[in-house]
Amino acid sequence: NAGVTQTPKFRILKIGQSMTLQCTQDMNHNYMYWYRQDPGMGLKLIYYSVGAGITDKGEVPNGYNVSRSTTEDFPLRLELAAPSQTSVYFCASLLSLGVLTDTQYFGPGTRLTVL
Amino acid sequence: KQEVTQIPAALSVPEGENLVLNCSFTDSAIYNLQWFRQDPGKGLTSLLLIQSSQREQTSGRLNASLDKSSGRSTLYIAASQPGDSATYLCAVNTDKLIFGTGTRLQVFP
Repeated sequence: NAGVTQTPKFRILKIGQSMTLQCTQDMNHNYMYWYRQDPGMGLKLIYYSVGAGITDKGEVPNGYNVSRSTTEDFPLRLELAAPSQTSVYFCASLLSLGVLTDTQYFGPGTRLTVL
Repeated sequence: KQEVTQIPAALSVPEGENLVLNCSFTDSAIYNLQWFRQDPGKGLTSLLLIQSSQREQTSGRLNASLDKSSGRSTLYIAASQPGDSATYLCAVNTDKLIFGTGTRLQVFP
């Protein structure tokens, strides 16, 4: 199993550009998450999904969009990049069988800089 | 709104010391609590997961306790080693994981 994979590892964007951060998991997990981590801070939840076709907002969803057309993939879209979106982005997945008792598995992160 | 706080923010200790990292949360209605380790420039690795019905979990030199009623958890690291140097994050699980800001630990030889 590759676990949770994220691409790209690094990216520099200009203000106003768009991009998609890719996330794929091969563990057949139903829950998937996107977090951002600013320097010296904890992780803040952007969006999450409890299954294919279902997504919901987290703490900091503004400026982002997600989709979940398959169980494996959960891409994060930035439409109009702003310097405030400079951060490290982590994708995670979890197997939930009713009560959330499992641990989340994290990808290695995507370091995004917006100039 | 659930808030998670970790104290201290940073800690520097000599090798061999036993140490305690603290995590507090404001809403006791949680499914579980997890402790993660994060190395610089890396993702998160899960260390311990404590279910809401449990009081503690142990893995090697690590022991985590949970007191839901007081909204507190502690991570105990025995006989610390330089390889333990990392940032330690706690997170409470409701229908989503809410993270603290972490404790940055440095263990020097």
